[in-house]
Amino acid sequence: SQQGEEDPQALSIQEGENATMNCSYKTSINNLQWYRQNSGRGLVHLILIRSNEREKHSGRLRVTLDTSKKSSSLLITASRAADTASYFCATVRGAQKLVFGQGTRLTINP
Amino acid sequence: DGGITQSPKYLFRKEGQNVTLSCEQNLNHDAMYWYRQDPGQGLRLIYYSQIVNDFQKGDIAEGYSVSREKKESFPLTVTSAQKNPTAFYLCASSPRTTVNEQFFGPGTRLTVL
Repeated sequence: SQQGEEDPQALSIQEGENATMNCSYKTSINNLQWYRQNSGRGLVHLILIRSNEREKHSGRLRVTLDTSKKSSSLLITASRAADTASYFCATVRGAQKLVFGQGTRLTINP
Repeated sequence: DGGITQSPKYLFRKEGQNVTLSCEQNLNHDAMYWYRQDPGQGLRLIYYSQIVNDFQKGDIAEGYSVSREKKESFPLTVTSAQKNPTAFYLCASSPRTTVNEQFFGPGTRLTVL
């Protein structure tokens, strides 16, 4: 079963705008991770936020975590056409196992 | 795609045939994983291995088999018992002592004719 659920399933915005994706999960976590997948390719790790952190930044990425609501958000600022991809959240279940959500498909229109 | 290679990139199989997907890593990672991804969906865990000569079933292991004879290699066999094998298969690895990040290969797209 999927631990994380991303919202929205698809998002289309204009280049330069900000993109926000959300992830909800069901059980307590040690950390939550965000990954990116270009069409037909493998996943690339973007950022990890630990359960005792509320916000984390990496370049144009900002991730927030609200453990009381069991939710996280990924914000991409000043979007570029190259940001077009699917974005997945993942949480740790048991030892060494990640559980992925179904992803948000982001399209940046030039 | 880090130091993980998967081959082939595309694979076609006739119904009833077994097929083996290759996954090799040079990251010196102890843990390796196989996932299945269907169109528009997330990843589902098939098998994982935390150490050589040991592996565990994931959420959808039926119809699949693996081996871990070497640290660098974790091949996946899709058997004829897998009723709907057409999918995109992704291999990943991570250091054993942490689940901080998994490194993914480029994937193999398997199509059953």
